[in-house]
Amino acid sequence: EPEVTQTPSHQVTQMGQEVILRCVPISNHLYFYWYRQILGQKVEFLVSFYNNEISEKSEIFDDQFSVERPDGSNFTLKIRSTKLEDSAMYFCASKGVGNQPQHFGDGTRLSIL
Amino acid sequence: DQQVKQNSPSLSVQEGRISILNCDYTNSMFDYFLWYKKYPAEGPTFLISISSIKDKNEDGRFTVFLNKSAKHLSLHIVPSQPGDSAVYFCAASANYGGSQGNLIFGKGTKLSVKP
Repeated sequence: EPEVTQTPSHQVTQMGQEVILRCVPISNHLYFYWYRQILGQKVEFLVSFYNNEISEKSEIFDDQFSVERPDGSNFTLKIRSTKLEDSAMYFCASKGVGNQPQHFGDGTRLSIL
Repeated sequence: DQQVKQNSPSLSVQEGRISILNCDYTNSMFDYFLWYKKYPAEGPTFLISISSIKDKNEDGRFTVFLNKSAKHLSLHIVPSQPGDSAVYFCAASANYGGSQGNLIFGKGTKLSVKP
């Protein structure tokens, strides 16, 4: 069964450094998402992406965040200057057309030191 | 801002019995509801969904019930198996306007099924 893959599984970065989280969505999906889950808290929506542009973003997704689909397969989340509070699990998801469920990757654990 | 609430952080059930997980929501614009199961160190795995035009959807041992007037949904697992032990998340989305259906999650309920 096709699945969403995320790399790396764990990323440790110094505060203030840039980090790029990578995702390969399911191949025939058109909608792409990033979510995050801070330890002990809810899974929170960050951003959705469709037709090569951001469809919607949450308050969390400020100017330090950006997303890109650099080629036909990858979908990336960049945090320009990381802060301690960016430490979380980051999940990528994708879905097909219509009322289809979103399928999630196994996440990247981001640890900011 | 708790638009989706799962008020029971944990539930323990005997193998073979029914597990009932509950979820309440406040936003009347939600029109699509999903349940996800999550094991440690893995991402949420889609389990079952229901559109707001239905009140029940069944898939094998899993049934989701939706009560729109009460803004409540529940997931029934019958019979429960030890492999069902996981955290279960309720999620909702609204496909109105230009929204692409970003999901709003509850806090999750940790289900433990005892052999």
